Amino acid sequence: GENVEQHPSTLSVQEGDSAVIKCTYSDSASNYFPWYKQELGKRPQLIIDIRSNVGEKKDQRIAVTLNKTAKHFSLHITETQPEDSAVYFCAASLGGANNLFFGTGTRLTVIP
Amino acid sequence: EAGVVQSPRYKIIEKKQPVAFWCNPISGHNTLYWYLQNLGQGPELLIRYENEEAVDDSQLPKDRFSAERLKGVDSTLKIQPAELGDSAVYLCASSPGSGRETQYFGPGTRLLVL
Repeated sequence: GENVEQHPSTLSVQEGDSAVIKCTYSDSASNYFPWYKQELGKRPQLIIDIRSNVGEKKDQRIAVTLNKTAKHFSLHITETQPEDSAVYFCAASLGGANNLFFGTGTRLTVIP
Repeated sequence: EAGVVQSPRYKIIEKKQPVAFWCNPISGHNTLYWYLQNLGQGPELLIRYENEEAVDDSQLPKDRFSAERLKGVDSTLKIQPAELGDSAVYLCASSPGSGRETQYFGPGTRLLVL
């Protein structure tokens, strides 16, 4: 089955700085890569996703890059704000209705 | 539009007792997932339904866990008997199906087994 690794496990940045979280996956057939944000005690919420026919996707301060050859993808958050503090999970899937395989999460803390 | 609804939000039981969790997916979503999230970990799939059919239950511990989605809408996940190691958050998610992959999660049920 798919194996997704995520780094770092914790990340602290100053407000206004950028944050980068990296993930690798093992199954070259995976073609859908979402990122979820989970605040303490709340549901995971999709913040951005990318499909394997695209190398980069951006949505305001959030961007995701995908390198299919190396089987890794990254989340970039620019101009971080205290409300960005949460746990972020990457995931990989074969697409369609197939289930997601999640990384172990990154706890991001943005220091005001 | 209402999101995925789960109940109860919290449940405390003693080991060997039964427990059940309920999920109502987003209206019109054909695919429903139950995930298990241990503390400090990412969610892991327990079972996936396409309408009323369980199409992937390979990770469901069938000796004590069962699930159903009788009319292809609501779903119930049951544990009987519960063990200490079952303490976790049980997340339900749904997706529209028909090739649209986005999964929307419910708030989860936090289970504590004493």
